[in-house]
Amino acid sequence: DARVTQTPRDKVTEMGQEVTMRCQPILGHNTVFWYRQTMMQGLELLAYFRNRAPLDDSGMPKDRFSAEMPDATLATLKIQPSEPRDSAVYFCASGLVIAGDTDTQYFGPGTRLTVL
Amino acid sequence: AQSVAQPEDQVNVAEGNPLTVKCTYSVSGNPYLFWYVQYPNRGLQFLLKYITGDNLVKGSYGFEAEFNKSQTSFHLKKPSALVSDSALYFCAVREDTGRRALTFGSGTRLQVQP
Repeated sequence: DARVTQTPRDKVTEMGQEVTMRCQPILGHNTVFWYRQTMMQGLELLAYFRNRAPLDDSGMPKDRFSAEMPDATLATLKIQPSEPRDSAVYFCASGLVIAGDTDTQYFGPGTRLTVL
Repeated sequence: AQSVAQPEDQVNVAEGNPLTVKCTYSVSGNPYLFWYVQYPNRGLQFLLKYITGDNLVKGSYGFEAEFNKSQTSFHLKKPSALVSDSALYFCAVREDTGRRALTFGSGTRLQVQP
C-alpha cells in the first residue's frame, strides 16, 4: 500500500531554532506539494515541484522558508529561524502527471509544528 | 485566478439520511474538481474528482458528486449517511492549464448523528 511518509510527525521547538521537515513521496510520482494548515488560514499551498524542479513557491515566505528536493525520494521544507506564527500542520502531497493528464494528490499524515 | 467556496462551516445530518456538502468554484478555463476528506489527526484522503465527461462522479465510500457547469457547483452527496462519515470535507479546484496546484475551500465539517 504505497503512501506518502512525513517525518517528524510532531515537532516542538523554540523560537529562533531551525526546523527541517521531510517527506518521502510515493515511488514513481513526479510532483510534490507542500501545504500548511491552520485554523485561521485553512490549507495553503507553500510550494510545489515537478520532476524535482520547483514550479511555484509563491505561497512561501522566502525570508525564512526554503524547500528542496535533493533526489526523487526526498523533499524537505526548512524554516530558519522559526517563529511562533509558523505553528501549524505541514502536509506533503505527491502525484503523477502524465502527458497533460491531471494528477490526483496523495497526502501524507502531516507534521504538527509548535514553535514556542 | 481560481477559487472555491464552501458556504457551510458545518453540516449536521442523521444517520441513514441523505447528505449534501456544497461547493462552488471559479476558474478562467475548464475546471478540474476534487473532493478530499480529513479525519482527526490525519492527512487528506482523496474521495473523487471530475475532469470531463459524465457530470455525476462516483467515488470512494459511497460518495458521489455532481458537476453543474451553469451553476459552477460541485456538491458532494451520499444517499445514506453513516456515523463514520463524520469528518472534515474539502472541495478543491484547479484550471486545466497552467499552474497545477489545487486551491482548497475552507472545509465543511460533517457531523452525522446516530
